Amino acid sequence: KQEVTQIPAALSVPEGENLVLNCSFTDSAIYNLQWFRQDPGKGLTSLLLIQSSQREQTSGRLNASLDKSSGRSTLYIAASQPGDSATYLCAVKRGSASKIIFGSGTRLSIRP
Amino acid sequence: GAVVSQHPSRVICKSGTSVKIECRSLDFQATTMFWYRQFPKQSLMLMATSNEGSKATYEQGVEKDKFLINHASLTLSTLTVTSAHPEDSSFYICSARGQGRDEQYFGPGTRLTVT
Repeated sequence: KQEVTQIPAALSVPEGENLVLNCSFTDSAIYNLQWFRQDPGKGLTSLLLIQSSQREQTSGRLNASLDKSSGRSTLYIAASQPGDSATYLCAVKRGSASKIIFGSGTRLSIRP
Repeated sequence: GAVVSQHPSRVICKSGTSVKIECRSLDFQATTMFWYRQFPKQSLMLMATSNEGSKATYEQGVEKDKFLINHASLTLSTLTVTSAHPEDSSFYICSARGQGRDEQYFGPGTRLTVT
């Protein structure tokens, strides 16, 4: 059974810092891995999707990496801003039609 | 493109009553829709998967007679919480996937409070 873990559960850093969020999964046989952002009381916004054959994806100040063999992914946020404050969720799929398995999330707070 | 809406965004109902939540794909045909539940400070838990025109597939531990799901068209799925109890209070999020597509698009969620 696939389990997705995110550490830390919460993180607070001053504005301008670069930071890394971690995600680990127990079953390396994944189809893809996705990072989402969730603001309080809101739905999910997809940030980056990495296919199993890929190593990383970049979008603006965000970079996500994937190491299937070790069951790890990281989300790197450069030059953090207060607007980056949100919960970040990591999720994996076993197959194209499989359900998404979510991690418990990291609550990120960027201090002005 | 790929916008999913939910209605209502917030609902308060009395214990014992039923409440319906709608999930719509606004600019694509959703052959598959998913319903999730999220408790405070916890992650999303899949409740059920529905394919248009078919009965929903429920995850283990989810009562299908309590959480009625209807996916009668390619743009609309509904979740009805029957005989609601305070413990059903939660954040319900739907997502939708188009035919032959991998990616799911998520709705903004519905906050249900049962008093």
